[in-house]
Amino acid sequence: RKEVEQDPGPFNVPEGATVAFNCTYSNSASQSFFWYRQDCRKEPKLLMSVYSSGNEDGRFTAQLNRASQYISLLIRDSKLSDSATYLCADFNAGNMLTFGGGTRLMVKP
Amino acid sequence: ETGVTQSPTHLIKTRGQQVTLRCSSQSGHNTVSWYQQALGQGPQFIFQYYREEENGRGNFPPRFSGLQFPNYSSELNVNALELDDSALYLCASSVDIRETQYFGPGTRLLVL
Repeated sequence: RKEVEQDPGPFNVPEGATVAFNCTYSNSASQSFFWYRQDCRKEPKLLMSVYSSGNEDGRFTAQLNRASQYISLLIRDSKLSDSATYLCADFNAGNMLTFGGGTRLMVKP
Repeated sequence: ETGVTQSPTHLIKTRGQQVTLRCSSQSGHNTVSWYQQALGQGPQFIFQYYREEENGRGNFPPRFSGLQFPNYSSELNVNALELDDSALYLCASSVDIRETQYFGPGTRLLVL
């Protein structure tokens, strides 16, 4: 089993829709997690961190479920510009980020 | 922008050659991590440097090596290149070991 797993998608949604992605992790000792956004052929850019129960930033909400060992990302009122690959990462007991394979989102007009 | 820069942006090498990739971290960031991202996959941790010393290594062979310099710059060296080394190489800097990592634009390496 991979340490961090994501549904690769693609998730095809219309503008204005609400979409949610889940990311499961295997290391029960992990304390912090991150969502990064990656546009095609670009570097990952930090979207938000998830340290405890959750985090909200505008249209984006991240939740952490320790019992079931997953984090989620909810995007409300999707924009065309939200089309990208969303990477979740586990900042584990070491000092490295362990990434999932990413979930691709395509927002259509 | 993150203030992290990498050079070159693109590079083509042949099998067996050696390559050096460079990263310049934000001023004050004493930690740099290097990742390899193959097409269609998430980034994979190669190693991390903290105050010029290696501070952790992922599952990569010894032909992947690195250096960090006092001026917040660092290098990733890969010897005896293999076709599977073709990937996007990302460096990420952070204020300290356990702090948020910010990525540079990456170097796209193609090994023929």
